[in-house]
Amino acid sequence: DVKVTQSSRYLVKRTGEKVFLECVQDMDHENMFWYRQDPGLGLRLIYFSYDVKMKEKGDIPEGYSVSREKKERFSLILESASTNQTSMYLCASSFASRGGEKLFFGSGTQLSVL
Amino acid sequence: DQQVKQNSPSLSVQEGRISILNCDYTNSMFDYFLWYKKYPAEGPTFLISISSIKDKNEDGRFTVFLNKSAKHLSLHIVPSQPGDSAVYFCAASVSGAGSYQLTFGKGTKLSVIP
Repeated sequence: DVKVTQSSRYLVKRTGEKVFLECVQDMDHENMFWYRQDPGLGLRLIYFSYDVKMKEKGDIPEGYSVSREKKERFSLILESASTNQTSMYLCASSFASRGGEKLFFGSGTQLSVL
Repeated sequence: DQQVKQNSPSLSVQEGRISILNCDYTNSMFDYFLWYKKYPAEGPTFLISISSIKDKNEDGRFTVFLNKSAKHLSLHIVPSQPGDSAVYFCAASVSGAGSYQLTFGKGTKLSVIP
């Protein structure tokens, strides 16, 4: 069965801390994505990666960075957490193709920055 | 500029009746459309999709209709069940090399009343 695993379901961090969100997929997907979901704003793309060591900015990359050292793992890094980064973070993956591929999502990490 | 719009933030329907969720898009290059369902504290799960070469796709209680000339799609759920209560996201993509992303709407919260 298809699986995207996010390391934490809930995280509480303090302002200014460096935060790592980890995501692992077992489907040998080329593409991996990080979204955040906020009420009334839907799903917004932060960063994505279409290959190992490759990364592309999404719609809201400010304050975030990513790392993809292995195909199955995609990490989201908050360099200095701020309260406006309190959100539900969702990792997703998909096959590389000519487009039209569905995304498979993890269960999400609810991050609270105090 | 919002390319995928779900203009109804919420919808309430009686159990057993039809639920109709609507989605409009502005980018005429979009040629693949998906619906995702999301329960609280969980990641979105794929529900149903449609290619622009079709105008209807059916899967059990779920049917998606696409009207390309109006740039409009809708999801019909018949009959609606309490377990259908969730947030539904419409998403769209452009096929072709270099296409990796889905563009999501802001979601519609469906409440099915027993």
